[in-house]
Parts: sequence; structure tokens; C-alpha cells
Amino acid sequence: AQSVAQPEDQVNVAEGNPLTVKCTYSVSGNPYLFWYVQYPNRGLQFLLKYITGDNLVKGSYGFEAEFNKSQTSFHLKKPSALVSDSALYFCAVRDNDGGFKTIFGAGTRLFVKA
Amino acid sequence: ETGVTQSPTHLIKTRGQQVTLRCSSQSGHNTVSWYQQALGQGPQFIFQYYREEENGRGNFPPRFSGLQFPNYSSELNVNALELDDSALYLCASSFRDTSNSPLHFGNGTRLTVT
Repeated sequence: AQSVAQPEDQVNVAEGNPLTVKCTYSVSGNPYLFWYVQYPNRGLQFLLKYITGDNLVKGSYGFEAEFNKSQTSFHLKKPSALVSDSALYFCAVRDNDGGFKTIFGAGTRLFVKA
Repeated sequence: ETGVTQSPTHLIKTRGQQVTLRCSSQSGHNTVSWYQQALGQGPQFIFQYYREEENGRGNFPPRFSGLQFPNYSSELNVNALELDDSALYLCASSFRDTSNSPLHFGNGTRLTVT
């Protein structure tokens, strides 16, 4: 069964510094990987996805993610963090056995300090 | 482009009661997925509807049921409510025919069971 793991409950970073939010996955076959962000009292918003092709994927709000097949990782990155990036981030994998369901990690809270 | 809308935004029910939550899909989307997000956790997949039929189900008991209508709107019904059903219920729509289509979420319904 497909799964994702987010090893950090919280990531703290100073504004202007680079940030990384970690994600590892377990899938059979080719992975479809996603990152979503959730602000308080809101639904999740799509940030970016990896389907195939370049290992570095660019998404919304200056975020990017690096796919590493050998390490089964899909880490979210941003070169320069903003206070407004503080939110809950979820890594997700699309079930590719024909069911099309998306499975989410437990989430990582990002706190950017001014 | 109309986004995903959910109603009501908040709901308080008593243990043993039944509840119906509603979701209107984003225009052009033909698939609806429902998720349960308990406090401090990632979204847990309940089920998905495509062409008005259930098309995949997570680890939830039969008292969780749903419907999808011809206009792609959807309902989530929960019978015999339990205290542990208290959570944020998220609806997400997507376009089924391309497996890399991201999910578009509503802002959720916060259900409290007392």
C-alpha cells in the first residue's frame, strides 16, 4: 500500500533563510507526489506535484520540491522563507492502482520567525 | 471559476444522531473525495465518488455513506454519531480523466459530537 511519512512535526526557520520540509514515500510503481498547504480554518491548497520528468519541481508562492528516487524522498524547499509561509504542510501520494485516491502524511507545521 | 463550497461550516450534534454534510464541486470536475481530519492529524480518506458511484473507500465503517449527484455535487452522511467522529470534514473535487489532477478542497465542515 502507498504511504508517505513526514518525520518532523514542526520546522522552525528565520525569515529570509532557506527552508526544507521533509517527506519520504512508499509506493509500488511510479509515484505521483504532491504538496499541499493548510492555513488555519481553511481547506488544503495545492502547491506542486511530481508526475515524471525533472527531479526539481517548481510550484506556487516560490516553493519547489526535489524528487529523489533512490532515497524515496520528495522534500519541499524554498530559498527564502517569509513569515506568511507559516502554515501546516502536507505531503501526499496518489494511489496508482486505479483507485486514484490521495493519501496524506501527518503534516509538518512550519513556523517562520521574523 | 467557482471553487469547492461546503455547508454548513460548523455543526454540533449529539452522540447517536445522524448528520448530512454537503459539497459543491468546482466547475468542470467530475470526481469528489471526502476526508476526515482530526485535530492535529492529516486528512484521512473516507471515500471517493465518480459518475455517481463510490469508487474507493478508506478504513471507515458503513455508517459513513455518501452520494454524488448528476451535477457532481455530493453529500456525506454519518449515522449513529460517536464522540470520535468530531473532526473537520473536507470535500475535494478533481478531474478524473487525468490521474495527475490535483485535489481542490473546500474549507470544510467542523463537526462536534457531544
